Amino acid sequence: DTEVTQTPKHLVMGMTNKKSLKCEQHMGHRAMYWYKQKAKKPPELMFVYSYEKLSINESVPSRFSPECPNSSLLNLHLHALQPEDSALYLCASSQPVQGKDSPLHFGNGTRLTVT
Amino acid sequence: AQKITQTQPGMFVQEKEAVTLDCTYDTSDPSYGLFWYKQPSSGEMIFLIYQGSYDQQNATEGRYSLNFQKARKSANLVISASQLGDSAMYFCAMREGVYNFNKFYFGSGTKLNVKP
Repeated sequence: DTEVTQTPKHLVMGMTNKKSLKCEQHMGHRAMYWYKQKAKKPPELMFVYSYEKLSINESVPSRFSPECPNSSLLNLHLHALQPEDSALYLCASSQPVQGKDSPLHFGNGTRLTVT
Repeated sequence: AQKITQTQPGMFVQEKEAVTLDCTYDTSDPSYGLFWYKQPSSGEMIFLIYQGSYDQQNATEGRYSLNFQKARKSANLVISASQLGDSAMYFCAMREGVYNFNKFYFGSGTKLNVKP
């Protein structure tokens, strides 16, 4: 079982809807990530939160809005999405320690379809 | 320039045989980490193995081993005794530097099919 939990597993939304993706981890990791993955492509980094502060935004359109309410939770708020935003959205966490490596631990993802 | 290059879009291997998945990387930072992930068709990304740039020995985890050739900037994944459950997409990834330790670069992936 994955230690990073994402909900919902599947989401279908219209272009005028507002929805949120949720991610939770209880491993004590202080870095959390959102990735977007299209079919047969590698994951693309969207956002990174380190110690609950946004540290990386990979020039993501403002219709995607991340939020990190506490060290265990990460949300991705969606508004006015386009059909091309349909993808698998993956949440991940890691424990950032300078000089030491930590792999990304991924959740099972949310398959988003924008109609 | 691509940070991570995986040149094999697809590979076939017979069950119980070994297979090598290629990965080359590009960095000028002396400190970096290399990671391999497996992604079955269900979508989850599973961490397999890690190699640090200063590690003297090749990493091994069960049936997985990493053939690390630093001078050639390659980090190939070797899967021994392939099983049907190994059929999946495999991604090589790199994190460079100690000051940018949050950013991972992924290769384009290799789709492995294990034949019975």
